[in-house]
Amino acid sequence: QVQLQESGPGLVKPSETLSLTCTVSGGSISSYYWSWIRQPPGKGLEWIGYISYSGSTNYNPSLKSRVTISADTSKNQFSLKLSSVTAADTAVYYCARLVTMVQGVISRHFDSWGQGTLVTVSS
Amino acid sequence: QSVLTQPPSASGTPGQRVTISCSGSSSNIGSNTVNWYQQLPGTAPKLLIYSNNQRPSGVPDRFSGSKSGTSASLAISGLQSEDEADYYCATWDDSLNGPVFGGGTKLTVL
Repeated sequence: QVQLQESGPGLVKPSETLSLTCTVSGGSISSYYWSWIRQPPGKGLEWIGYISYSGSTNYNPSLKSRVTISADTSKNQFSLKLSSVTAADTAVYYCARLVTMVQGVISRHFDSWGQGTLVTVSS
Repeated sequence: QSVLTQPPSASGTPGQRVTISCSGSSSNIGSNTVNWYQQLPGTAPKLLIYSNNQRPSGVPDRFSGSKSGTSASLAISGLQSEDEADYYCATWDDSLNGPVFGGGTKLTVL
């Protein structure tokens, strides 16, 4: 059973870069797609982006200019960098595994999630 | 403003059946399968329904999903107190080439 764990600073100053890492155990990141999702306090879920098993990426257009997702297969980790943060980026950040096919049929869903980590943007 | 539209709240009494709706468009629900996630207070979302109506292992058959056209719904029968949570619908959006979520529905068990 795959498990995901987010790690990184819980406090980031405005205009700086938010950096988080997701460590995956019980499965290889060389399979599947891997994603970052965030949830501002008291609000809904927002997809940030994903990286595929081959290293290709896709980002939410609303964040694309500020986001970079990368992977380190030797450590079985993938990472998020969000630049020029403001208070609006304060949220719980989740990493999740994105399944794209089930028994040969397209079925895109997040089947495993990390516990989430709260990142506060404040000076 | 979420891409998918859900009612902000729903409620029911123990044993009752409740449904939660999710509305989208031709570029998302209309051409892709729908998933539902349950988020208990203070925890990460958990996959509840995938591919419109499939339950992952361990999810009780009290939970069921359906889709028609550009809308979907989640039904919970035999409502229990532990079902009190936020429920999110989600699907793929072909224009975005990425997933989109509903705004979430807070279910209260009275």
